[in-house]
Amino acid sequence: AQTVTQSQPEMSVQEAETVTLSCTYDTSENNYYLFWYKQPPSRQMILVIRQEAYKQQNATENRFSVNFQKAAKSFSLKISDSQLGDTAMYFCAFMKPRRYNNNDMRFGAGTRLTVKP
Amino acid sequence: NAGVTQTPKFRVLKTGQSMTLLCAQDMNHEYMYWYRQDPGMGLRLIHYSVGEGTTAKGEVPDGYNVSRLKKQNFLLGLESAAPSQTSVYFCASSYPPGLAGVGEQFFGPGTRLTVL
Repeated sequence: AQTVTQSQPEMSVQEAETVTLSCTYDTSENNYYLFWYKQPPSRQMILVIRQEAYKQQNATENRFSVNFQKAAKSFSLKISDSQLGDTAMYFCAFMKPRRYNNNDMRFGAGTRLTVKP
Repeated sequence: NAGVTQTPKFRVLKTGQSMTLLCAQDMNHEYMYWYRQDPGMGLRLIHYSVGEGTTAKGEVPDGYNVSRLKKQNFLLGLESAAPSQTSVYFCASSYPPGLAGVGEQFFGPGTRLTVL
């Protein structure tokens, strides 16, 4: 079974600074998908960024980027120029390869990020 | 385009009561999912469906039943609610991987359920 571990229950960062959230996972699969979701106080789950395991290039979405280390099974999220609106719970998620035909996704326990003014 | 909607947003039940949570999506997604979110545990998959008329068990299916009679709707039922089912429930939907993107899931706003 796939497991996803987020070792930082809580983090804080000053506005405009950079912060990195850690995620590791365990799988025997070779091709899979990884995601970071954001959950602000409104409770809505919002997709931040996605990474396909067969792509070596790290994904980037504006101020959000990932450091994907496939051999180490590590998938960290870097938030640059942190903004107050980035305050939220962040969940790392692993999704099985296409051949399973179910998009089965497993989530980590989350990291609560607070951006301080 | 409402995306994924859930009804109701809040509910309080007594132990032993039954209820149904409704999820609707207007994105023509094939796949739909029900998760529960508990403090410190992230989201856990209860049941999912890969198409109209199909359902399958996820990670924590006990005490729940589901139905997918129409493509756009996915119902989650609790036949005899227990305090351990107090949680926030999320519905999600997605395309199969490859059809549009990698099959990332789109979530509803959640339902907070309390069982006394």
